[in-house]
Amino acid sequence: GQNIDQPTEMTATEGAIVQINCTYQTSGFNGLFWYQQHAGEAPTFLSYNVLDGLEEKGRFSSFLSRSKGYSYLLLKELQMKDSASYLCAVRGNDYKLSFGAGTTVTVRA
Amino acid sequence: DVKVTQSSRYLVKRTGEKVFLECVQDMDHENMFWYRQDPGLGLRLIYFSYDVKMKEKGDIPEGYSVSREKKERFSLILESASTNQTSMYLCASSHQASFSGANVLTFGAGSRLTVL
Repeated sequence: GQNIDQPTEMTATEGAIVQINCTYQTSGFNGLFWYQQHAGEAPTFLSYNVLDGLEEKGRFSSFLSRSKGYSYLLLKELQMKDSASYLCAVRGNDYKLSFGAGTTVTVRA
Repeated sequence: DVKVTQSSRYLVKRTGEKVFLECVQDMDHENMFWYRQDPGLGLRLIYFSYDVKMKEKGDIPEGYSVSREKKERFSLILESASTNQTSMYLCASSHQASFSGANVLTFGAGSRLTVL
């Protein structure tokens, strides 16, 4: 099975940077995903990492270290619309995605 | 531009009732999934399907069954609803997995089920 841990809540100020950490212990690894979910809406895909290193996509970046079982999602130049839950998910050998409980980010003016 | 449609956004059922949650996708995806989402527990996989008439148990299949008679439609069935099945149910779909790239899930908006 998979064990995926991420903080429950984070608060930051508009314009600031927030880093959401995700650690995982899995029986197989074939990629790590980050999804964003606004309250009452469907999760939407943000990023994918399968090799070690940093993937940058605009204001959002995601980092992976497979040897440490660790990833983070970095949100830069925070905007009010970034207030949402951020879900870390790991794909195992069986193609299934296992999700962490999610981190709720609140952006304050 | 709706791609994964869940038939009911909100449902209220009584204990013991049979409940059907319907999901349709228009992206010709091979894979379809049913998750439930509960506070503090995240998304947990109930059942999934890689092809028509094919189904596989996820992590929490007890109390649920599924049906996939057509490629675009995946139904979740609660044979006898119980209060502990009160939850948000999310359907998702994706193309067949590829180890060379991201196999991104597209989610529906969710069905919030309350069992009284």
